[in-house]
Amino acid sequence: AQSVSQHNHHVILSEAASLELGCNYSYGGTVNLFWYVQYPGQHLQLLLKYFSGDPLVKGIKGFEAEFIKSKFSFNLRKPSVQWSDTAEYFCAVNAGSSASKIIFGSGTRLSIRP
Amino acid sequence: DGGITQSPKYLFRKEGQNVTLSCEQNLNHDAMYWYRQDPGQGLRLIYYSQIVNDFQKGDIAEGYSVSREKKESFPLTVTSAQKNPTAFYLCASSIAGQGTGELFFGEGSRLTVL
Repeated sequence: AQSVSQHNHHVILSEAASLELGCNYSYGGTVNLFWYVQYPGQHLQLLLKYFSGDPLVKGIKGFEAEFIKSKFSFNLRKPSVQWSDTAEYFCAVNAGSSASKIIFGSGTRLSIRP
Repeated sequence: DGGITQSPKYLFRKEGQNVTLSCEQNLNHDAMYWYRQDPGQGLRLIYYSQIVNDFQKGDIAEGYSVSREKKESFPLTVTSAQKNPTAFYLCASSIAGQGTGELFFGEGSRLTVL
């Protein structure tokens, strides 16, 4: 069965630090990959997505992610975080025999010190 | 405005009672989903539906039931068979089919079993 692993459960950074959140998935076929963000008290919303083409994808608010097929990874990055990036981040995979089945990782809570 | 409406926002239930959570969308999306969100476990897929009158079990379907009689509605029943029903439940929708998968989420329903 497909699965998604996010190894960092809680990350604490100071403003202006660089960010990288890990995401690995288990599925050997074609995948669609997503990062969602949940700001405190708000809906989950899409941050960025990869379907095909350039493995480096850019999302909203300066975030980007790189799909490395050989490593089954889709890590999220941001060169310089802001206090407003404090949120929970979820990696998700859309794969398998049912293209509509979307599986999420356990999430990474990001806390930014002002 | 287009979106997903979940109700009720908060619900209390006594042990042994079934409860139904409502999810309505006016986005004309084919696919709808129910996830359960628990701290440290991310979002776990309960059921999903790609089309009216059809639905599939997710990873944690035991103790839950759904119906999809109308495109815009996907209610979730938490039955007395669900051993640990206290949780935050999220409904989502998307355009079905390969190459899509972006989810739009409702505000969620928090169920507490007393």
